[in-house]
Amino acid sequence: DVKVTQSSRYLVKRTGEKVFLECVQDMDHENMFWYRQDPGLGLRLIYFSYDVKMKEKGDIPEGYSVSREKKERFSLILESASTNQTSMYLCASRGGYQPQHFGDGTRLSIL
Amino acid sequence: GENVEQHPSTLSVQEGDSAVIKCTYSDSASNYFPWYKQELGKRPQLIIDIRSNVGEKKDQRIAVTLNKTAKHFSLHITETQPEDSAVYFCAASRVKTSYDKVIFGPGTSLSVIP
Repeated sequence: DVKVTQSSRYLVKRTGEKVFLECVQDMDHENMFWYRQDPGLGLRLIYFSYDVKMKEKGDIPEGYSVSREKKERFSLILESASTNQTSMYLCASRGGYQPQHFGDGTRLSIL
Repeated sequence: GENVEQHPSTLSVQEGDSAVIKCTYSDSASNYFPWYKQELGKRPQLIIDIRSNVGEKKDQRIAVTLNKTAKHFSLHITETQPEDSAVYFCAASRVKTSYDKVIFGPGTSLSVIP
């Protein structure tokens, strides 16, 4: 069974801090994704990666960056956290033509 | 850009009744349509998917239909039960290589009233 693990379920940070959200998958999937989930807006794609060191912008990349140094790990970075980045963040992975598998999510609060 | 619309945003049904959620997509090249269920506080999980070479697919109480001409696809849940209460997301993507992004609808909050 595919396992996508996000490092934290809940995280509280302060405005201006640099924030790292980590995601690890154990199925050797090529593709990994970061979404942001807000009420009424569904799942919005921030960034995705289709290979190590490769990344593509999604629909809302502003204020975020990503890192994929190893195939199993995909990190989302908030360079200077702001209150409007308070949200639920979901990581997903996908291999070949299979559906995406999601992690449990990180609920991030920026104070 | 590509987008997926989903209706209704909220839906309440009596236990035992059917529920229907409808989605439309804009990218005519989309050929893969998954549906995800997200229970409160949990991750989205795939419940059913359909590819463009199929018009309908069924799995027990859940069915999905696809009209490629109209760019519509729908989720049908029959004999609803309280445990069907969740947020449901439709999605569309072009599966031409393993590198592809998935566009999600905004979600439908389904409540099944016992």
